[in-house]
Amino acid sequence: DTGVSQDPRHKITKRGQNVTFRCDPISEHNRLYWYRQTLGQGPEFLTYFQNEAQLEKSRLLSDRFSAERPKGSFSTLEIQRTEQGDSAMYLCASSLGLSNIQYFGAGTRLSVL
Amino acid sequence: ELKVEQNPLFLSMQEGKNYTIYCNYSTTSDRLYWYRQDPGKSLESLFVLLSNGAVKQEGRLMASLDTKARLSTLHITAAVHDLSATYFCAVPPDSNYQLIWGAGTKLIIKP
Repeated sequence: DTGVSQDPRHKITKRGQNVTFRCDPISEHNRLYWYRQTLGQGPEFLTYFQNEAQLEKSRLLSDRFSAERPKGSFSTLEIQRTEQGDSAMYLCASSLGLSNIQYFGAGTRLSVL
Repeated sequence: ELKVEQNPLFLSMQEGKNYTIYCNYSTTSDRLYWYRQDPGKSLESLFVLLSNGAVKQEGRLMASLDTKARLSTLHITAAVHDLSATYFCAVPPDSNYQLIWGAGTKLIIKP
């Protein structure tokens, strides 16, 4: 499988716990994105990497959220001290080239109890 | 701040009919993307429109872009049940690679 993969697919956690998600992009893609999607809405941009550099981060993103992409390969998204409002589908996408078509993974569904 | 609006948000139609989904955006952008999402699934790229007047067609779907009007349309011809899904348009703000997304149009096609 050469698509974008995300792990885990589902995560249930208690409020106040920390969670970490992993994304493996398509291997030759240099750009990687994290989005959040809630039911009935379009994806909401969280952050973007070009290679290992985090170039954009949503101003709406709480300081509890942090993302890394060491060595420009896989990426992790960590949410500290989770809140019920963090419950959503977290989507990762990767892209390459001028057209910048973003290819999405299946997502990680987070439920905060 | 860039805003992307789709209408309608919900569309129920009969097989064989034609219809158009509209996507308006509020600031300048030279490209627009259309994606499809099936229930419980991730997003699948349909079209990228890279310039004013661009038109792309795939099967029963045709997308167009008017950057002066800040409007894109997704036209469905002779709809079939398999096209039932939620369709999103997305626009990058100037000089950015991130995408700003519409709320989606949920399309149900009845036999």
